[in-house]
Formats: sequence, C-alpha cells, structure tokens
Amino acid sequence: EVQLLESGGGLVQPGGSLRLSCAASGFTFTTYSMSWVRQAPGKGLEWVSGISHTGDTTYYADSVKGRFTISRDNSKNTLYLQMNSLRAEDTALYYCAKGAYVTMENWGQGTLVTLSS
Amino acid sequence: DIVMTQTPLSSPVTLGQPASISCKSSQSLVHSDGNTYLSWLQQRPGQPPRLLIYKISNRFSGVPDRFSGSGAGTDFTLKISRVEAEDVGVYYCVQATQFPQTFGQGTKVEIK
Repeated sequence: EVQLLESGGGLVQPGGSLRLSCAASGFTFTTYSMSWVRQAPGKGLEWVSGISHTGDTTYYADSVKGRFTISRDNSKNTLYLQMNSLRAEDTALYYCAKGAYVTMENWGQGTLVTLSS
Repeated sequence: DIVMTQTPLSSPVTLGQPASISCKSSQSLVHSDGNTYLSWLQQRPGQPPRLLIYKISNRFSGVPDRFSGSGAGTDFTLKISRVEAEDVGVYYCVQATQFPQTFGQGTKVEIK
C-alpha cells in the first residue's frame, strides 16, 4: 500500500523558513517523480513544485520560484520542500503526491503551514 | 499558464441520478508525445484529494465504474452514472501536459 507521510509544518512568522518532509513507502520511490500541492483554507488546489525521479529536474510555480526548493533523498525514500521568505499567502495545507509528469496518483494527508506574526 | 475552467461550480444531485462536470482548458492539452494529460480528482470533506481518472478516460485503481471521463483537445467531461452518498465532495480537473500543472476551480457535488 502506498503511503505518503508529510511532516514539518507549523506556525511561522512572515519572512521565516520551514522544511517540509514527505516519507514515502509501499512503492519504488526511486522510479517516480513527485510533487507538492497546497490548499489554502477553504480554497482550491494549487500545484507548487515537481521533481524528476532522479532529482535532476525540478519545476516551480511562479508564486514560489526563488523562495522554495524541492529535493529528494532516494536513499531515505523522502521528498523535501525547503520554504524560505515565507509570506502570509503561503498559509496552506501542503500535500505531497506520487507522480508529476502524467498525473498525481496518490496523496498524503498533508501538513499545515500557518503564517502569523 | 493553461487556465482550467470547470462548470458548474455546484451540482446538487438526487441519489441514484447522474451527474456531469465539464472542464475546459485555455489551450489544447495534447502533449508532443501524443498523450493528453488530463486527470480528475475527488476530494471528500476533510480528506486529501484522490485520483479518479487519468489521461482523459482511464480509471485509477479501485475507482468504481460509475465514474467515467471523456473528451479531447480542450473540452473534457467527468460523469457519474448514478450518484451515491459517498460521492459527495469537490471534484477537480487538472492538466499535466505543461508545467505549471493547473487545476480547475473545483465543482462541489452535494445531495439534494
């Protein structure tokens, strides 16, 4: 069974940083691209970032480009999202998802990031 | 960026009756490899999204056959042949033909 377990969310001040993690199990992590998608409270889904199975290729939404960095450690079956220079509009539930190029097949439960001064 | 537009945004349905959601893209979703990367997701209340349909019409593992997808180019449709209580939630179309991937606004399906 595919499992994706996000962690690392929390309350942070504007301008601060957080690193999200997504521990993957139940599939061969090294052969799948991965994605981060977020959902602001009461709003729809927004794609944030994607990464190839090797980690060589990355993609970002314009809204996070230059502030967020996606990465992966295939030896640990873990996906990361380093978030810097956080803004109020980054407040959201952040999901990791298996897949990026064709579709997003499986989703984690999400980790909540809240910006507040 | 490709803009995805769903209609309707809300769909009250009687149990056992069909439901249909339209999704239109601002440009063709046919990829240079010949595939069309249009998917449908279901988000039940308080739950993460769940993949229902990928590449227009392919049901994902475990998805009931009352869900079907169709369309081509820029116009796509998700149909539920007979709505059940567990189908209540928000449905999103999403394109993966071009980065950034973009979602429709979501269509809320509720029981009348």
